[in-house]
Amino acid sequence: DAKTTQPNSMESNEEEPVHLPCNHSTISGTDYIHWYRQLPSQGPEYVIHGLTSNVNNRMASLAIAEDRKSSTLILHRATLRDAAVYYCILGYSGGGADGLTFGKGTHLIIQP
Amino acid sequence: DGGITQSPKYLFRKEGQNVTLSCEQNLNHDAMYWYRQDPGQGLRLIYYSQIVNDFQKGDIAEGYSVSREKKESFPLTVTSAQKNPTAFYLCASSRDRGRAQPQHFGDGTRLSIL
Repeated sequence: DAKTTQPNSMESNEEEPVHLPCNHSTISGTDYIHWYRQLPSQGPEYVIHGLTSNVNNRMASLAIAEDRKSSTLILHRATLRDAAVYYCILGYSGGGADGLTFGKGTHLIIQP
Repeated sequence: DGGITQSPKYLFRKEGQNVTLSCEQNLNHDAMYWYRQDPGQGLRLIYYSQIVNDFQKGDIAEGYSVSREKKESFPLTVTSAQKNPTAFYLCASSRDRGRAQPQHFGDGTRLSIL
């Protein structure tokens, strides 16, 4: 499985944009890039995913590098409720529901 | 509202005892998954099922068993063979096979040893 590398933690201020980086230099052409986040004592929550083009939804934006070896999750205006562990994960787009591989993620701290 | 329900929220196991964790979904999803999370760690896949009456081992299946008799239900049994069962267990589902599909997670069951 292709692996991802994320910083262990990041800190940001409330109401400011947050850019969470992820490196995936061994990504294959059929791997989707997924982002999930997890609050303490809760299950992970899907945030966004994409293949090649940048993606936007109501929660966040996903910027994917042209060579697809890195991506950035963008929270446009952080709130205290965005404090969570954020996971960047690669998912094979072919057949086989063998789950997603979660690393340790980035612990995002939001300062009021 | 559609979603995944895991029960119980907290569970205690005695030595040598088997315990079963419940997972029910009303999302009409074909694929379901069980993950284990240890403190400060990511999730590790225990078992997954792509369709009723079919399931496959994940990365850490030893000491666990599952069944998929109904589309909505995917219970996990932690057997006495699992010597270190204390963890946070998460159930997930996705619309169909393929890791391109987003997964929806329950709120987990926290299992501890008495």
